[in-house]
Amino acid sequence: AQSVTQLGSHVSVSEGALVLLRCNYSSSVPPYLFWYVQYPNQGLQLLLKYTSAATLVKGINDFEAEFKKSETSFHLTKPSAHMSDAAEYFCAVSRGTSYGKLTFGQGTILTVHP
Amino acid sequence: DGGITQSPKYLFRKEGQNVTLSCEQNLNHDAMYWYRQDPGQGLRLIYYSQIVNDFQKGDIAEGYSVSREKKESFPLTVTSAQKNPTAFYLCASMVGQGIGNEQFFGPGTRLTVL
Repeated sequence: AQSVTQLGSHVSVSEGALVLLRCNYSSSVPPYLFWYVQYPNQGLQLLLKYTSAATLVKGINDFEAEFKKSETSFHLTKPSAHMSDAAEYFCAVSRGTSYGKLTFGQGTILTVHP
Repeated sequence: DGGITQSPKYLFRKEGQNVTLSCEQNLNHDAMYWYRQDPGQGLRLIYYSQIVNDFQKGDIAEGYSVSREKKESFPLTVTSAQKNPTAFYLCASMVGQGIGNEQFFGPGTRLTVL
């Protein structure tokens, strides 16, 4: 069965600092991996996805993630945090069957300090 | 603009009452999904549907029911059998049935049981 672990339920950074949100996955099949962002009381918006085309995936708002099979990781990074990046971030893995079902991690709340 | 709408945004229910949450999409997507979100638990799949007049139970279907009479609509009923219905409910849709496709999310409905 596929599963996702996000290390750190809360991450706090200063504006302009590096953002690193960690995601480790478990999958019995080649995974499809996603990062979504959620602003308070809103739905989820896709940041980026990995579908085996390239291990370094670039997304919106200067976010990127690197797929590392040996480490079963798909960490999300951004070189310089902005106040508007404050939100909750979810990593998700495809369950490897049809129907497009996803398994989500528990989420990481990112706080950005001035 | 194409997208997913959910209504109402906030919903209050007395114990013992059934309530129905609306989800409509004009993206012409085949697949639709209902998730429940609780703090610190990520998103959990309630029901999903690949085509009209067909739907499947997700991981936490007990106490919920759905219908899919039209491609663009996928309402969720929270029944009195659901023991702890207070949560944030998210509807999503996806084009096709592939496992690498992204899901698009609505803005959510926050249900509170009084």
